[in-house]
This record gives sequence, structure tokens and C-alpha cells, in this order.
Amino acid sequence: EAQVTQNPRYLITVTGKKLTVTCSQNMNHEYMSWYRQDPGLGLRQIYYSMNVEVTDKGDVPEGYKVSRKEKRNFPLILESPSPNQTSLYFCASSFSLGTLGDTQYFGPGTRLTVL
Amino acid sequence: ILNVEQSPQSLHVQEGDSTNFTCSFPSSNFYALHWYRWETAKSPEALFVMTLNGDEKKKGRISATLNTKEGYSYLYIKGSQPEDSATYLCASGGQYGNKLVFGAGTILRVKS
Repeated sequence: EAQVTQNPRYLITVTGKKLTVTCSQNMNHEYMSWYRQDPGLGLRQIYYSMNVEVTDKGDVPEGYKVSRKEKRNFPLILESPSPNQTSLYFCASSFSLGTLGDTQYFGPGTRLTVL
Repeated sequence: ILNVEQSPQSLHVQEGDSTNFTCSFPSSNFYALHWYRWETAKSPEALFVMTLNGDEKKKGRISATLNTKEGYSYLYIKGSQPEDSATYLCASGGQYGNKLVFGAGTILRVKS
């Protein structure tokens, strides 16, 4: 089944404790992206990747890191989480090399709470 | 317009009503306009991707139009059903480099 998977789905952590949210897609997509969703603000892009080893900042990259060592995986790293990073996170992928005309497929979401 | 804006913010309709929402976006450097449907506790799912001025797309009772010159898209739902209740998101690309920028969404609630 073609899908985007994320883990964990739910996470409660404390300030400063490094964490990684994994994202994997099995559709051979080149474009992958991370978003956060906060009430009233819609989806805001954190980072995106147009291909392996190619990543770029989205609109809200502060406090996050990403890597794209393999085409299928795009982990999101919070080196020192803070309470303002409490949010719902979505990973998404699409086939195109950043032309933006292709449908994005979203993962199931990760609900993160930082105490 | 510098950002992607959606209106109304929320909408409550009766079953059987037809309804429509608006997505406004910067018209310069436009490349693509996406519509997604997002149900509570699920992931956003794609409805349409449109790129050409005048594009019209239809999926069942849902349709969308695109005006790239004036920078807006309409999403129409004919004969709303309770299962249409969701948040409808639009996203625009091209104006911001290799990024899609999403609007805040329109929350639709259909009462039976």
C-alpha cells in the first residue's frame, strides 16, 4: 500500500530532551516536507527536501533540523525541544522535483507535547 | 495579497444545502493551487491540483475553479452531506520558491 508513515504518533516529552520524529514513504517520491499545524494558523512548512542530500528551510525552521540521506526517509530532529514546539506535525511527500504541481501525500501526524 | 487566505473561517449548513468557500492567493509567479480535505483525527487528503487559469475540476459533488489572474479559487459542494464535515485547506505554490503555502482552512459542519 502506498503510504507515508510517521513515528511516533504521540509523544510527551520535557524541555531540552532531544527527540526525532521519523518519516518514511514507499512511493519513490523525490519531494518531502515537514509541516506543523497550530490552531488558527493552518499548516506551516518547517523544512522541505527536493532530493537526497538536498534540504531547505520552510517558513518556520527555527529549532528544527532535518536530513535526507535516503530517498524514502526524512526525519525531523528537535535538538532541544521547547514548549512552543508543542504542535501537530505532518510529514508529506510528492513525486515532483519541487514543481509543486503534484499532489502531496500526508502521513498520519505526530502529536507532540513539550512540558 | 501576500499570503494565502481562506474564507469563511467556518461554516455551518444543513444537509442538502450547497455551499462554497474562497481561497485567495498572490497572483504573481503563480504555479499551482491545491485543495485538501482534512477530517478530524485523519491526514489531509488531496482533492484537486490546478495550474491553469480557468481550470475547473470536479469529483462527485465537489468542484473547484481557478482564476490565476485575479488570484482566487472557489470550492463548491453541492447537496452537502454530514460526511462532508471537515476542514478544507487550500495551498498555493510558485510565489514562494519551492514551497507550498497553506491557508488557515475553512471548517465545514453539515447538520443532518
